[in-house]
Amino acid sequence: AQKVTQAQTEISVVEKEDVTLDCVYETRDTTYYLFWYKQPPSGELVFLIRRNSFDEQNEISGRYSWNFQKSTSSFNFTITASQVVDSAVYFCALSDPNTGNQFYFGTGTSLTVIP
Amino acid sequence: GAGVSQSPSNKVTEKGKDVELRCDPISGHTALYWYRQSLGQGLEFLIYFQGNSAPDKSGLPSDRFSAERTGGSVSTLTIQRTQQEDSAVYLCASSRTPREAFFGQGTRLTVV
Repeated sequence: AQKVTQAQTEISVVEKEDVTLDCVYETRDTTYYLFWYKQPPSGELVFLIRRNSFDEQNEISGRYSWNFQKSTSSFNFTITASQVVDSAVYFCALSDPNTGNQFYFGTGTSLTVIP
Repeated sequence: GAGVSQSPSNKVTEKGKDVELRCDPISGHTALYWYRQSLGQGLEFLIYFQGNSAPDKSGLPSDRFSAERTGGSVSTLTIQRTQQEDSAVYLCASSRTPREAFFGQGTRLTVV
């Protein structure tokens, strides 16, 4: 069965520190997509990144970077030099075309960046 | 519209009353999802519609919860005989492919 686990419920860091949010997934399929979404205090979920299962190249976008490792079924998200505006709940998700494109979300990690 | 629209944005209801929450997905999106997010909690899957296929209702917490999707577009989530534990933000999302899902702003339901 498909499953996404975010073991870190809450994380607090001081501004300018780096922080990594962990995501571990389970699926029996070889074709799937992985996502990260951000939910700021305003409540709307904002799409951050998508990776497909055939592309393990890590990606960097400004202060954000993602480390996809199929060997450990992990898709971790690192924020470098964190800022107060990064404070939000972050969700990792998996979508699987073999199960009707359904999305499976982790329970989220609440990040607080302290000024 | 350009995005997923949910209405109402806020709903306060008395315990025992029925409520209907509406979701207008992005035009052309065949998949529609309902999630519930209780205060400080993660996303709880409720139901998933995909085209004309039978919906995946495996996440509905009780038979007081039901959902419809008419004409493959608008969806209504109905909660009968609301209870205080139903208080949460109800989020709707739609997608056209498995490559991304777009979320609405949510409906904040408060049962008093």
